[in-house]
Amino acid sequence: DVQLVESGGDLVQPGGSLRLSCEASGFNFSSFWMSWVRQAPGKGLEWVANIKNDGSQKYHVDSVKGRFTISRDNAKNSLYLQMNSLRAEDTAVYYCARGVTLDIWGQGTVVTVSS
Amino acid sequence: DVLMTQTPLSSPVTLGQPASISCKSTHSLVHSDGNTYLSWLQQRPGQPPRLLIYKISNRFSGVPDRFSGSGAGTDFTLKISRVEAEDVAVYYCMQGTHYPVTFGGGTKVEIK
Repeated sequence: DVQLVESGGDLVQPGGSLRLSCEASGFNFSSFWMSWVRQAPGKGLEWVANIKNDGSQKYHVDSVKGRFTISRDNAKNSLYLQMNSLRAEDTAVYYCARGVTLDIWGQGTVVTVSS
Repeated sequence: DVLMTQTPLSSPVTLGQPASISCKSTHSLVHSDGNTYLSWLQQRPGQPPRLLIYKISNRFSGVPDRFSGSGAGTDFTLKISRVEAEDVAVYYCMQGTHYPVTFGGGTKVEIK
């Protein structure tokens, strides 16, 4: 079964850091671009970042540039999102998704930024 | 950034009747490689999103054929030929042609 499983979400204070992980299984992870997408409570979808299959290209939405960094470890079939200087507006469910078409999604991990 | 505008915001539909959702972009979604990276996703209550349609009109694996996509350039449409109870969800269009990737605001399909 093709599967993505996110982890690492937590309650964190403003200004804090978190590292999200996404473990892939059931497909050749190293062949696909991978993405992070978030959804604030009761809101729509917002693309956060994506990374090329070999890690040589990365793109981030402006609102997280300089604070969040996407990365991957193909040997571990894993995708990561390092989140620093977290703000209240970063509170959301964070999903990882496969490819540029986002054809497979994980169940999401919840990040809450609050004091 | 490319703004994706979906209409209607909400669509009450009778079971077995068709539904249609429009998505308009502020920029042409034709990529330099000739493809148009316009997708439709479905998000049922309490679930993650699920890809339905990619590159305007290609149904993803396992998607029922009552879902169809059409359009070109800046105007796109998702149609459900006969709405079933399991189709109650929020539907999003998404463009992947230009960075940043952007989504429409969503259309809620509900049963009358």
